[in-house]
This record gives sequence, structure tokens and C-alpha cells, in this order.
Amino acid sequence: NAGVTQTPKFQVLKTGQSMTLQCAQDMNHEYMSWYRQDPGMGLRLIHYSVGAGITDQGEVPNGYNVSRSTTEDFPLRLLSAAPSQTSVYFCASRYRARPGYEQYFGPGTRLTVT
Amino acid sequence: AQTVTQSQPEMSVQEAETVTLSCTYDTSESDYYLFWYKQPPSRQMILVIRQEAYKQQNATENRFSVNFQKAAKSFSLKISDSQLGDAAMYFCAYSPQGGSEKLVFGKGTKLTVNP
Repeated sequence: NAGVTQTPKFQVLKTGQSMTLQCAQDMNHEYMSWYRQDPGMGLRLIHYSVGAGITDQGEVPNGYNVSRSTTEDFPLRLLSAAPSQTSVYFCASRYRARPGYEQYFGPGTRLTVT
Repeated sequence: AQTVTQSQPEMSVQEAETVTLSCTYDTSESDYYLFWYKQPPSRQMILVIRQEAYKQQNATENRFSVNFQKAAKSFSLKISDSQLGDAAMYFCAYSPQGGSEKLVFGKGTKLTVNP
């Protein structure tokens, strides 16, 4: 198994540009989520999905859009990038029926918005 | 809303010594899960240990153990026989048992291991 994969690993955007961060998992996990990690802030939940076709907002959803058309993929879209969205983005997944079990994290995407 | 607090932004320990990282949390739930994640410079998030709130016995994984005090809402991580490879950011995290998919993280503690 490849686990959770994210692309790209690094990205630089100009203010106002849009882009999609890709996330895929091959473990048949129902639950997938996106976090952002900022210095001194820990990880904060952006959006999550409990299955194909079902998404919901987390703690910091503004400026981001998600959709879940398949179990495997959960892309994160930045609609109009802003410098405040400079961060490291992590995708994670787990079996929905096991909230107490490990969430598997991808390697992260470092995004810089100038 | 649940919150997780790590009061030590940075800690250091000598190789082979023991160090304890602190974590407190706030919740009105009675059943939940607590985790410690390690993030080395590679950025990869690695699960170190987890604790189920309904279990009174403290979790242990090799050199890593926790001191779970449910009434005090405290969940500290003890690392014994510290190794250079233990140097990393450590995050405490909380997850409710059900009804919410959220994993709430603390701000992290940077652990330095001195040779």
C-alpha cells in the first residue's frame, strides 16, 4: 500500500491564483480530512469527509473548497490564494468506524503565497 | 468546544535520560481518545501512543508511556532512555468517541535531545 499520498510537495502561488492540492489513499478509508499547520498553531482542521459525496467544514474552512467523488480521492481547492494561506497542508485518513485508531497522514504540501 | 493545551513550547533532554511532556485538555465528554503524535524534521506525522479514556490503565509503547489523569484532564508523555532520533515536535491530540470526526491538536512541544 502507498498509504496517503499528496501532490505537489511544494508550491508557490501568486495572490489571487487558484490551485488544487491532491490527496489520495489506497486503504479504503471512509474518513478523510485536510489540516493546515502554521508555526506555533499546531494542526487545524479545514474540511473533512466521512464518505464519497459527503463533506463538512472544520475549524478553518474559509477560502477552501472540497469535494469527494470517490473513496480514494479528496482534493482541496484554493479558490483565490491569499498570503494568509501560506502554510503546510496535511491530508489524513482512517476507518470511520475507528475514531480511536490511528489517522494516517500524508507527507504534506508546503504552500507559499506571495 | 474541546481544546488541547501543551504548556511547554520547547523541552530538552540528555541522551539516555527521561523526559516528560505535558498536555491538558478540556472536554465535557466522558468517552474520548487521546494521542501523542511525533513530527520529525521530515514533516511526517507519526503516531506514538494512544489512550482510550474509559481505560484506567496507562498506555505503554516500548520507551514511551503516558500518565493519564482523567479527573484532572491531564495526559503527559514520558520518554525513557531518550535517543537522538526522538528529537522532534510532539503533538497531543484529542478525538471524541463518536458524533464528530474532529481531531483537535495542541500547539506542540519541540523536543531537543542532547548527546
